[in-house]
Amino acid sequence: GQNIDQPTEMTATEGAIVQINCTYQTSGFNGLFWYQQHAGEAPTFLSYNVLDGLEEKGRFSSFLSRSKGYSYLLLKELQMKDSASYLCAAAYNFNKFYFGSGTKLNVKP
Amino acid sequence: KAGVTQTPRYLIKTRGQQVTLSCSPISGHRSVSWYQQTPGQGLQFLFEYFSETQRNKGNFPGRFSGRQFSNSRSEMNVSTLELGDSALYLCASSAGLAGGGDTQYFGPGTRLTVL
Repeated sequence: GQNIDQPTEMTATEGAIVQINCTYQTSGFNGLFWYQQHAGEAPTFLSYNVLDGLEEKGRFSSFLSRSKGYSYLLLKELQMKDSASYLCAAAYNFNKFYFGSGTKLNVKP
Repeated sequence: KAGVTQTPRYLIKTRGQQVTLSCSPISGHRSVSWYQQTPGQGLQFLFEYFSETQRNKGNFPGRFSGRQFSNSRSEMNVSTLELGDSALYLCASSAGLAGGGDTQYFGPGTRLTVL
């Protein structure tokens, strides 16, 4: 499979900004997804990037650099409910999806 | 539109038994993917079905199998259960578009415990 790398755990303070990085292999790459997963629940779709640049959706933004095999998810104005795992997933040729192990984000008051 | 549904939500089995899990995708979606999620391994891809055919397969042993019906509903079967098969099994539904951009939507999962 393809190596999708993201940090295991991060901690940030309520109201702050946090950036979660993800790197992936570029060969056969088609697009990059971010999912949020609260403990004991299913992953929910956050964003999709196929072209280079930043996609903004309210407090959440996602960035992609295809040439560098790099993406990040930016969360602004952190809230306690943002405490969750954030999964990076890369789509490759022939509909193959590979997920990173997830980044557990702890938001503290 | 109704979301992805999975049944049952919880299962307890003993080693050596077999189990069948079911997934109903979002209406109109033709692709169903199955994943195993464990604390240590994260989300591991099992297989993907599209129009009743297995289109992609992960690196799991042959004890793990699946199928898809003409209405796009899918089942996953695990035979000769092992303790290590205890996990959350997630199915994801998508339109089945090739070439990226095919967002997967997850069901609530089936929590399987093997004793």
